[in-house]
Amino acid sequence: QSALTQPPSASGSPGQSVTISCTGTSSDIGAYNYVSWYQQHPGKAPQLMIYEVTRRPSGVPDRFSGSKSGNTASLTVSGLQAEDEADYYCSSYAGSDFLVFGGGTKLTVL
Amino acid sequence: QVQLQESGPGLVKPSQTLSLICTVSGDSISSAGYYWSWIRQHPGKGLEWIGYIYYSGSTFYNPSLKSRVTISIDTSKKQFSLNLNSVTAADTAVYYCARDSGGYDTLDYWGRGTLVTVSS
Repeated sequence: QSALTQPPSASGSPGQSVTISCTGTSSDIGAYNYVSWYQQHPGKAPQLMIYEVTRRPSGVPDRFSGSKSGNTASLTVSGLQAEDEADYYCSSYAGSDFLVFGGGTKLTVL
Repeated sequence: QVQLQESGPGLVKPSQTLSLICTVSGDSISSAGYYWSWIRQHPGKGLEWIGYIYYSGSTFYNPSLKSRVTISIDTSKKQFSLNLNSVTAADTAVYYCARDSGGYDTLDYWGRGTLVTVSS
């Protein structure tokens, strides 16, 4: 199983929106509605931001939203804030009790 | 509030076995529906799922590591553990334990992570 493909970097100015893509295959993202997104600040553990493609855990701002089309999932951060600057990782259930992660995207708030 | 804490040696010699324990508090490790997971992150790199265990003892591993990995659980101690044998420098990473709610990629609680370096 190969890792999911994410752009290495993304950026936006405060208040703007930015979308990060995550491309998989018909065996993972395309096959299941089990895509998650994690935010990781330097030196910290990842934090769940989105699960099951579109659902937000309690406490996650509604500025964060997820979607999926075919084999590609996306995370959109609206109304960018300085504290959103972090690494973002997507992941997907890939069948046979196996999870696969993306390589990560560094989001910079300009 | 669920809390997870990794513990174990920070330095392991090549060819030896890496052993880590994750202690769970604030929740029952025997609750149905939760899978107790190990994930690692090589320095400056992305995340890699190692595997998880259900309270019943059923285990599921990343195929790329399956031949070297064992995950076990001790519900009486509220702990689950990771053993990775025949380690090399390529196994140097931060190791995280986490709870997966449902076993379908919802890692909702994570430990702080522990750096394990493989070196002689």
